Amino acid sequence: DGGITQSPKYLFRKEGQNVTLSCEQNLNHDAMYWYRQDPGQGLRLIYYSQIVNDFQKGDIAEGYSVSREKKESFPLTVTSAQKNPTAFYLCASSIVFRQGSNQPQHFGDGTRLSIL
Amino acid sequence: EDQVTQSPEALRLQEGESSSLNCSYTVSGLRGLFWYRQDPGKGPEFLFTLYSAGEEKEKERLKATLTKKESFLHITAPKPEDSATYLCAVQAGYSTLTFGKGTMLLVSP
Repeated sequence: DGGITQSPKYLFRKEGQNVTLSCEQNLNHDAMYWYRQDPGQGLRLIYYSQIVNDFQKGDIAEGYSVSREKKESFPLTVTSAQKNPTAFYLCASSIVFRQGSNQPQHFGDGTRLSIL
Repeated sequence: EDQVTQSPEALRLQEGESSSLNCSYTVSGLRGLFWYRQDPGKGPEFLFTLYSAGEEKEKERLKATLTKKESFLHITAPKPEDSATYLCAVQAGYSTLTFGKGTMLLVSP
């Protein structure tokens, strides 16, 4: 079955530590996205990528980094510079929107990151 | 700046009691409005895309409608398994999505 796989489901970070969240998709989608979800807030965009080896900052990119070396994979690193990393992180993918496509984004089941 | 406001924040219904959720938006050049369902601890599940005012989409007990300023998600004779948070998002121009904060729906048997 096609879909988006996020791992791990739960992750704990120590002070001063970088952690990497995995996101893999087999939907053959060009575009991939990372969102952060906090209680009582809407999903906020961290980074997105429309094509391999290219990505753009979203609304809350500070303290995060990404890479897009393969079409199927879009890992997110939460760096020690992110002072409030505790949140639910969601990865999504879609047909590329550059040409104005309004195809929906499809989501993985998230990674919950907590601070030790 | 694009804005999406969902109301109410939370809604409690008895099984079989129909109601509507609201999504108001301000955006320049709407290209699509999306409804998602999110269960606790899970990622959002896509429900509908609406493209233009007057459009309607249906799926089982859910019906989504769109005007120039808002969208409604009508739930007819809900069941406990319809309990979830319902998210609305808009896409403007060639931009990414802007999400509302969601409506948490609880349907009691």
